[in-house]
Amino acid sequence: GQQLNQSPQSMFIQEGEDVSMNCTSSSIFNTWLWYKQDPGEGPVLLIALYKAGELTSNGRLTAQFGITRKDSFLNISASIPSDVGIYFCAGDTNTGNQFYFGTGTSLTVIP
Amino acid sequence: NAGVTQTPKFRVLKTGQSMTLLCAQDMNHEYMYWYRQDPGMGLRLIHYSVGEGTTAKGEVPDGYNVSRLKKQNFLLGLESAAPSQTSVYFCAIDGTSGRAGYNEQFFGPGTRLTVL
Repeated sequence: GQQLNQSPQSMFIQEGEDVSMNCTSSSIFNTWLWYKQDPGEGPVLLIALYKAGELTSNGRLTAQFGITRKDSFLNISASIPSDVGIYFCAGDTNTGNQFYFGTGTSLTVIP
Repeated sequence: NAGVTQTPKFRVLKTGQSMTLLCAQDMNHEYMYWYRQDPGMGLRLIHYSVGEGTTAKGEVPDGYNVSRLKKQNFLLGLESAAPSQTSVYFCAIDGTSGRAGYNEQFFGPGTRLTVL
């Protein structure tokens, strides 16, 4: 399967700080998706990206589709306690509508 | 959970027992997926379906079977459960945010399975 490297694996930050995480792949992707998962719940879609270079925001979240189409990053500005959770990236090579997932970034926000 | 339901929510099996997980959607989507999630490994695709009556293997299909007899339902079966199949199982559907031609995946709440 495709290799998706997501970093960092975990982050501990103070409330109010900005957060940045990224995903890189060994293949070119046509779509990048970013999800947040709370304990005991399914992943919830945050942002979807479809074009190289695309920059999309959803409230305090901003994600970009890398120019090389092999990477993407997610930024969270002014973090708050409810941002706590695991963030996953996912990419689609457009071969059979299969998405490949990163291993997740666990975010802890310290009040 | 975007109209995707999963049953049961929890289950404990003994090695060798069989069971079926049900995923149901109420949005008439063609594509449905079964993933398993294990610590440190993210989500891995088991099987998927691109429409009623069709199924295909994903990244980790061994030990599982699936069926899509009705468009609304996607069943995941374990014929002879093994401890290695202890995991959280998620169903997903391929929907759209409204932009024509663009697909996104929406997940159900998950089924937590323990095989002793």
